[in-house]
Amino acid sequence: AQKITQTQPGMFVQEKEAVTLDCTYDTSDPSYGLFWYKQPSSGEMIFLIYQGSYDQQNATEGRYSLNFQKARKSANLVISASQLGDSAMYFCAMRAYDYKLSFGAGTTVTVRA
Amino acid sequence: NAGVTQTPKFQVLKTGQSMTLQCAQDMNHEYMSWYRQDPGMGLRLIHYSVGAGITDQGEVPNGYNVSRSTTEDFPLRLLSAAPSQTSVYFCASRNRDRGQKLFFGSGTQLSVL
Repeated sequence: AQKITQTQPGMFVQEKEAVTLDCTYDTSDPSYGLFWYKQPSSGEMIFLIYQGSYDQQNATEGRYSLNFQKARKSANLVISASQLGDSAMYFCAMRAYDYKLSFGAGTTVTVRA
Repeated sequence: NAGVTQTPKFQVLKTGQSMTLQCAQDMNHEYMSWYRQDPGMGLRLIHYSVGAGITDQGEVPNGYNVSRSTTEDFPLRLLSAAPSQTSVYFCASRNRDRGQKLFFGSGTQLSVL
């Protein structure tokens, strides 16, 4: 069974600073995908970034980057130049050989002006 | 561009009542799934389907039924509602490619009294 761990329940970050959200995973499958989603207070789930286990380079999408350390089974999300609109809950998720996507418990980020 | 449509957005039930949460997608996605979101627990998979006529259980299937008679629709049935089923429910879909992100509906806030 796949397991996703997000150890930071909540974080505060100053506007314009970078923040790193931790995510570790556990799987025995050689082929898997890692995702990050954002959930603002409105409740919608917004896809941010994807990393495949065989991808050679770390994924980047605008201000979002994924620090993928395969040996450590770590897939941390880095948000650069934080904005007030980045205040939200962030979920790490993994899909292994099957179709199922497993989520971590989430990290709440609050950006301070 | 409707995407994934969930109805209703809010619902209050009494213990023992039954109801169906509707989910429809217009993207011709093979894969559809239902999640529930509870505080501190992230999103947990209830049931999923990899195509019309095919369904399978996720992590927390007890008390819920699903069917997939068409590609577009994937309703979730609560057979006899219990207070433990008070939660936010999300329907999601994606195409067959394992690297593809899940598209989420806007969610249903369900309260069981």
